[in-house]
Order: sequence, then structure tokens, then C-alpha cells
Amino acid sequence: AQSVTQLGSHVSVSEGALVLLRCNYSSSVPPYLFWYVQYPNQGLQLLLKYTSAATLVKGINGFEAEFKKSETSFHLTKPSAHMSDAAEYFCAVSDNFSGGSNYKLTFGKGTLLTVNP
Amino acid sequence: DSGVTQTPKHLITATGQRVTLRCSPRSGDLSVYWYQQSLDQGLQFLIQYYNGEERAKGNILERFSAQQFPDLHSELNLSSLELGDSALYFCASSLLNTGELFFGEGSRLTVL
Repeated sequence: AQSVTQLGSHVSVSEGALVLLRCNYSSSVPPYLFWYVQYPNQGLQLLLKYTSAATLVKGINGFEAEFKKSETSFHLTKPSAHMSDAAEYFCAVSDNFSGGSNYKLTFGKGTLLTVNP
Repeated sequence: DSGVTQTPKHLITATGQRVTLRCSPRSGDLSVYWYQQSLDQGLQFLIQYYNGEERAKGNILERFSAQQFPDLHSELNLSSLELGDSALYFCASSLLNTGELFFGEGSRLTVL
């Protein structure tokens, strides 16, 4: 069974500071990995995804994540935080059912990012 | 706007009642997923449908059921409601199995 662990339910940074949100995964097969963002009173939106191509993945809004197989990690970073980045961030892992139609995405518990002025 | 529409946005009901949540996926998406989000459990996968057929099941209670209709919209039925069923219920859709799910804005259910 796959699982995702997000270290830190709440991260607070100053505007302009580095953002680092941690995610470790457990999977018995090569995983697909994702970061989603949820702004207040909205649904989840895909930030970026890793699907076994480049290990450094760039997403929207200046975010990127690096897949490290040896550490089973997929941490999300952004060099300089902006007030508009305040939201909840979810790491997720999926089965790599190539060509299949049965499919499940397992989410971590989420990390709430606060950006202070 | 993700293109996924969920109704109603808010619903308040009493214990023991039954409600139906509706989801219209993005145009052309064949898969529909239902998730429950609560403070204590986080985002829990409930069930997936693909082109009208159930394809994957998660932590869905027996009191809950879902279906996907020929026009691809889906409904989640919650019955014999309990206080603990109060949560945000999300629907998501996708065309391909790449993990890129498109989420609706959710239906917030409050059981009193």
C-alpha cells in the first residue's frame, strides 16, 4: 500500500524567504508523485507532478520539487515566498497503472503555509 | 475554474437523514473520483468511477453509495447520516490516468 507523510502540519515563513515543504512517500512500485494546493474555500489545484522523467520538476507559481529515490522524498520548494502563496499544500502518490482505468491518488495530511509580511 | 461542478455548495441536515451530492465532470473526462475532507482524517479517497463503472473503492462507508450516469455525471448518496459525516466532499475528474485530477469546489455537509 502506498502512503505519504508530510512533515509539519503548519509552516510559517516571512515574505521573500525560502519555502520548503517536506514530503516522504512509501510505494512498492515506481510512483507518480504530485503536489496540490488548496486555497481557502476552493478545491485542490495541481502544482506539479513527477512521472519518472526529470527528477527536478517545475510547477506553477515558481514552485519546484525534486524526486529523490534514495531518500523516498519529494520536497516542495520556492526560493522566495509571496503573500499569495498562503494556502494548504498536499503531497500525493499514485499507483502507476500504465494504461489501466482503475486508479487511486493517496494524499498526505497537508501542510498549511502561512506567509508573514 | 477547474470545469468540475458540484452541487450543492452547502448543505445542512439532521442526523438520520439522507442527502445526495451531485458532480458534473469536465467535458470529456471519463473518470470521476469522490473524496471526503475532514479536519481529523484529512483527504480520504471514497470511490472512483470510470465511464459508468466502479473501478476503485476506498474508505467508503456502507451507508454511502455512488453512481456514474451515462452522461458521466456522478452522484454520491449519504444515508443514515451521523454527526461524524460532517465534512467537505470533493469530486474530481480526469481523462487519463496521470494523477492530474481536476477538483470541484466541494460540497460542505453539516449534520446537526
